[in-house]
Amino acid sequence: GAVVSQHPSRVICKSGTSVKIECRSLDFQATTMFWYRQFPKQSLMLMATSNEGSKATYEQGVEKDKFLINHASLTLSTLTVTSAHPEDSSFYICSVSPGDYNEQFFGPGTRLTVL
Amino acid sequence: GQNIDQPTEMTATEGAIVQINCTYQTSGFNGLFWYQQHAGEAPTFLSYNVLDGLEEKGRFSSFLSRSKGYSYLLLKELQMKDSASYLCAVMDSNYQLIWGAGTKLIIKP
Repeated sequence: GAVVSQHPSRVICKSGTSVKIECRSLDFQATTMFWYRQFPKQSLMLMATSNEGSKATYEQGVEKDKFLINHASLTLSTLTVTSAHPEDSSFYICSVSPGDYNEQFFGPGTRLTVL
Repeated sequence: GQNIDQPTEMTATEGAIVQINCTYQTSGFNGLFWYQQHAGEAPTFLSYNVLDGLEEKGRFSSFLSRSKGYSYLLLKELQMKDSASYLCAVMDSNYQLIWGAGTKLIIKP
């Protein structure tokens, strides 16, 4: 498998501020990383596919100007939630897919609470 | 549209066996995955099926029938630590993962 880290694990911020979440692939050079959001008692929702050196591909309904993704290296992708609002409070998880079966390996997640 | 169905919640007894079913309707099929997710944590990969039949991995087994659009995850010798949500996900023809809502498994002593 692959080892993926995320930072921070938990963040509380005020409404209107921006929050940056880092996703690092520690033992695998990931040209592609995935960003998911999960609301309580719901399944994972793919937000965007982060591509190293190029623009991210966003899923329908996800605002690219609100959720800024930067994949500057093969080991780091960042998600910035701009002008966060309480409805952005969620569990944000990144993943990489190095495997033979296209299985995804997830980071530990970042729990964002917007007050 | 694409759809993954699995029960919302199941309860089982420690030491017993439980089967979690998943049915799917997707545009194409490139494999079915099962993930385990403990509360407040990210999912972890359990199994992958792309051909019909049973894949066994220790206490966990996963079965697939492509003609029926059906899979199940079988957990044997249940332990309290198996209490978690189990997510079924199918990779469609575009290699996009379609996720089920997950089955919350509650293990009682």
